[in-house]
Amino acid sequence: DAGITQSPRHKVTETGTPVTLRCHQTENHRYMYWYRQDPGHGLRLIHYSYGVKDTDKGEVSDGYSVSRSKTEDFLLTLESATSSQTSVYFCAISLLRGADTDTQYFGPGTRLTVL
Amino acid sequence: AQSVAQPEDQVNVAEGNPLTVKCTYSVSGNPYLFWYVQYPNRGLQFLLKYITGDNLVKGSYGFEAEFNKSQTSFHLKKPSALVSDSALYFCAVRVASSNTGKLIFGQGTTLQVKP
Repeated sequence: DAGITQSPRHKVTETGTPVTLRCHQTENHRYMYWYRQDPGHGLRLIHYSYGVKDTDKGEVSDGYSVSRSKTEDFLLTLESATSSQTSVYFCAISLLRGADTDTQYFGPGTRLTVL
Repeated sequence: AQSVAQPEDQVNVAEGNPLTVKCTYSVSGNPYLFWYVQYPNRGLQFLLKYITGDNLVKGSYGFEAEFNKSQTSFHLKKPSALVSDSALYFCAVRVASSNTGKLIFGQGTTLQVKP
């Protein structure tokens, strides 16, 4: 998994509760991404980061925020979780410079259930 | 809008037979194309990518894919399927000069290889 860990791996929470997911990488890669995976939709980009404190929105960013205060950690926060945010969340990194030709490598995922 | 389509939700093939998992794309610009595989309860694993050059790309585990610009397709193939190839397969595209590394994924195709 390209030195990527995600925590927690599983979480069950209640509607309206804040939730933070963590992605940690060990090799100082500059570009990091958060995706969500839902049946029939493949993976969809939530947010991405191109450096410490440099982040931008993806296609499904509503209801999510991110932070990157250190190169190795990229945090995804659901300020007030809703049932529609029940999903599997994957973190990814680009090994090189985040160029178009780069391959992205994925972490093991976090399964989040919002009741 | 840029998009990727995997027209088959599931592909069934007998072990030892050739397999094809289809992918078509729609982008404005030169595409960079990727295939990933996901085994149950695991993250996505990179299989292969097309950037430029030879239209036939070889990847991991004996898989290959053929880029066809006129048909805007990038089908995944393997000459002889194994039961262990059973998994969920994703096609993804990135447009040249997107400068963010963002990937657009298809909805996924489940490959079932039967003994």
